[in-house]
Amino acid sequence: GAGVSQSPSNKVTEKGKDVELRCDPISGHTALYWYRQRLGQGLEFLIYFQGNSAPDKSGLPSDRFSAERTGESVSTLTIQRTQQEDSAVYLCASSPTETQYFGPGTRLLVL
Amino acid sequence: GEDVEQSLFLSVREGDSSVINCTYTDSSSTYLYWYKQEPGAGLQLLTYIFSNMDMKQDQRLTVLLNKKDKHLSLRIADTQTGDSAIYFCAESGAGNNRKLIWGLGTSLAVNP
Repeated sequence: GAGVSQSPSNKVTEKGKDVELRCDPISGHTALYWYRQRLGQGLEFLIYFQGNSAPDKSGLPSDRFSAERTGESVSTLTIQRTQQEDSAVYLCASSPTETQYFGPGTRLLVL
Repeated sequence: GEDVEQSLFLSVREGDSSVINCTYTDSSSTYLYWYKQEPGAGLQLLTYIFSNMDMKQDQRLTVLLNKKDKHLSLRIADTQTGDSAIYFCAESGAGNNRKLIWGLGTSLAVNP
């Protein structure tokens, strides 16, 4: 079946611009996670959605970062006024229970 | 805070066994995972173990968990060149938010 998909696969933007990243989870998976992987570092948790419950935003690094998810469908991660330190691979994972299945990621480069 | 540590590099000969080690600090970890990341590819879930288990075997993969020492290992039997990748150890807690805490990854090089 279809896995987690993310778009765009690559994004180059200028410092100060806003970007929007999209995640299409596996159908039927109630939980959705966003992570960030900066070069040479491990993955960092950003935000978690579970059904219609309030999201856990505890990993978002600043108020420039926000994310939305409607029900159990698509999620978007928005970064406003991008900075060079936002350059990273942004990964989305969806989960039915205890396992998380990852998308291919969006590689973001902020010039 | 929570932390997961792994050695950064491992080099083995084709046909030998590889053992990748991981330590973690969160004693309330519920599940521990091994993911594989090949160059240019996404993260692939290899296997995972529930914290009340000591061992899990899946074909060439054996996971050992020493909960007392908070030590997890992944053994790959008969390592092949296709096993060359970065292997990540991750742990999650109980509760609804099973956010994963990750190690930096171990880069496995398999030499012919």
